[in-house]
Amino acid sequence: QVQLVQSGAEVRKPGASVKVSCRSSGYTFTSYYVHWVRQAPGQGLEWMGTMYPDSGGTNYAQNFRGRVTMTSDTSTSTVYLDLSGLTSEDTAVYYCAREYSYSDDAFDIWGQGTTVIVSS
Amino acid sequence: DFQMTQSPSSLSAAVGDRVTITCRASQGISNFLAWYQQKPGKVPKLLVYAASTLQSGVPSRFSGSGSGTDFTLTISSLQPEDVATYYCQKYDSAPRTFGPGTKLEIK
Repeated sequence: QVQLVQSGAEVRKPGASVKVSCRSSGYTFTSYYVHWVRQAPGQGLEWMGTMYPDSGGTNYAQNFRGRVTMTSDTSTSTVYLDLSGLTSEDTAVYYCAREYSYSDDAFDIWGQGTTVIVSS
Repeated sequence: DFQMTQSPSSLSAAVGDRVTITCRASQGISNFLAWYQQKPGKVPKLLVYAASTLQSGVPSRFSGSGSGTDFTLTISSLQPEDVATYYCQKYDSAPRTFGPGTKLEIK
């Protein structure tokens, strides 16, 4: 079935980097964009940016430019989120979600979420 | 900066009540508006897209309306399983901003 499966929880120290993966299955990988959304404890949803697997392009939210990198591997249908310069404010659940690439569309399938804890 | 606002931020209603949540965009977004439901400890789930189209499998007691800057999500008869936080999101262009959420509880 259609699903996005994310990597497991991570614990990092302040100043470190973290890389989270999102593997897709059950659909044509290059026909959907993949977005990253995060949710800090007790807070709302924050859009971080988009990976375009068909072209390899990206579009990052202003708040994260300079310390976020999104990449994809079409051979494994996997998208990666790399976030550097971590602070305690980056402690959150990170979700990937897909969007149909042939029209502006909502996020119909989400990954299960990856908890990232930043603590000294 | 583009903003999405929601009201109320929280509400409590009785089973069987009609519930309405409002979302407002700071600029017109036509009908590029989605609603998501997030139950406690769970992954967000798409309820409504294109402002008024129900995602497959979503109960018909949910409905969406609006266009431009003002949108509503309505639950015609509240059920216990509808306890959740509801988020609107614009998707006409980047940034794909979410509203702050409306937490819905049973009275």
